[in-house]
Amino acid sequence: GNSVTQMEGPVTLSEEAFLTINCTYTATGYPSLFWYVQYPGEGLQLLLKATKADDKGSNKGFEATYRKETTSFHLEKGSVQVSDSAVYFCALSEHSGGYQKVTFGTGTKLQVIP
Amino acid sequence: DAGVIQSPRHEVTEMGQEVTLRCKPISGHDYLFWYRQTMMRGLELLIYFNNNVPIDDSGMPEDRFSAKMPNASFSTLKIQPSEPRDSAVYFCASSLRQGQGGYTFGSGTRLTVV
Repeated sequence: GNSVTQMEGPVTLSEEAFLTINCTYTATGYPSLFWYVQYPGEGLQLLLKATKADDKGSNKGFEATYRKETTSFHLEKGSVQVSDSAVYFCALSEHSGGYQKVTFGTGTKLQVIP
Repeated sequence: DAGVIQSPRHEVTEMGQEVTLRCKPISGHDYLFWYRQTMMRGLELLIYFNNNVPIDDSGMPEDRFSAKMPNASFSTLKIQPSEPRDSAVYFCASSLRQGQGGYTFGSGTRLTVV
């Protein structure tokens, strides 16, 4: 079956540091890939997505590239802010048996300190 | 669009009582999902609907849980009788049929069973 593996958290960074959160996946076909962000007390919000190999998703300074050869979709940001403190979820979506199936990773908590 | 609307935001109930959580998906979205989030188990898919029809309820913990979607703009998740171990944040999400645009999550219902 499909699976998504994220790096263990929490990740603690100083403001303006470079961020990488690793995500790798296994899938039987050609999934779409996503990063979601969850701020404290809120629901998950779609951060960025990529629907095919070599696509780069980007939003709010975050970006991730769909790497089929390494089955990865790592999240990066050049300079994090305190307001980026949240939990980040990697996910994949694939059609199976006529319906879409979405698999979420376990989430990685990011804490940015001033 | 107002997004996915869930009610109530918080629910505190006594063990043994019936609890009903409500969700209004985004107009035009074909898929509706119910998730549960806890610290111990992370994000769990409970059930999802396509065009108001339940497709996969294998994540529903036990017979005490039931979900309905009587029309395209409303769904309920019912727990009867509730138990302390049901305490969690319950999220509803909706998406367009292909799923490549990602999900839109509601703000969640925080359920506490005492």
